Amino acid sequence: QVQLVQSGAEVKKPGASVKVSCKASGYTFTSYGISWVRQAPGQGLEWMGWISAYNGNTNYAQKLQGRVTMTTDTSTSTAYMELRSLRSDDTAVYYCARGGGFYDSSGFHYYFDYWGQGTLVTVSS
Amino acid sequence: QSVLTQPPSVSAAPGQKVTISCSGSSSNIGNNYVSWYQQLPGTAPKLLIYDNNKRPSGIPDRFSGSKSGTSATLGITGLQTGDEADYYCGTWDSSLSAGGVFGGGTKLTVL
Repeated sequence: QVQLVQSGAEVKKPGASVKVSCKASGYTFTSYGISWVRQAPGQGLEWMGWISAYNGNTNYAQKLQGRVTMTTDTSTSTAYMELRSLRSDDTAVYYCARGGGFYDSSGFHYYFDYWGQGTLVTVSS
Repeated sequence: QSVLTQPPSVSAAPGQKVTISCSGSSSNIGNNYVSWYQQLPGTAPKLLIYDNNKRPSGIPDRFSGSKSGTSATLGITGLQTGDEADYYCGTWDSSLSAGGVFGGGTKLTVL
């Protein structure tokens, strides 16, 4: 069965960096993209970006450009999300999800069919 | 402020039907496929509907999705107390700042 298992909770100081891992199993890792979504306490879902596990191409949310880097290690079927220059408003649960997208004549197909359990990142001085 | 607009809350009695709307624009819902997610308290979101109206394996047919123009709707029939959750719509936005977008979420209360 498809599983995405994320690394554990992190506590960071403002200005620091965090790197969250997401280990995939139960499917061919390079056949799907991995997307990252975060959720601040009591708030809704926020899309952060996605990476093609096939060729490493990335697409990041404009508001995070320059602070976020998504990578994959195909030898271990693991995806990583690094966020730098952390601020208090980066405090959130960070989710990885299996999902990439493709165009057809009717539009762009983009959805997340399997999710990791989430990683709480707390940014506090 | 979310790119997609959902009502903050809806409610209905057990056994009844409820619909949740999701409004967008031509750069997102109008020209791309919509998905819906259910998030039970303290858990990760779960895919309910993809490609506007398709259900993944294991999702009961009590859940349905539709799209018309720049709006989409999630329908739930035969409401159960276990359906009480937050529901999110999502799609791709093809504007200059292209990327995934979500609605702000709708809290479903089963009275």
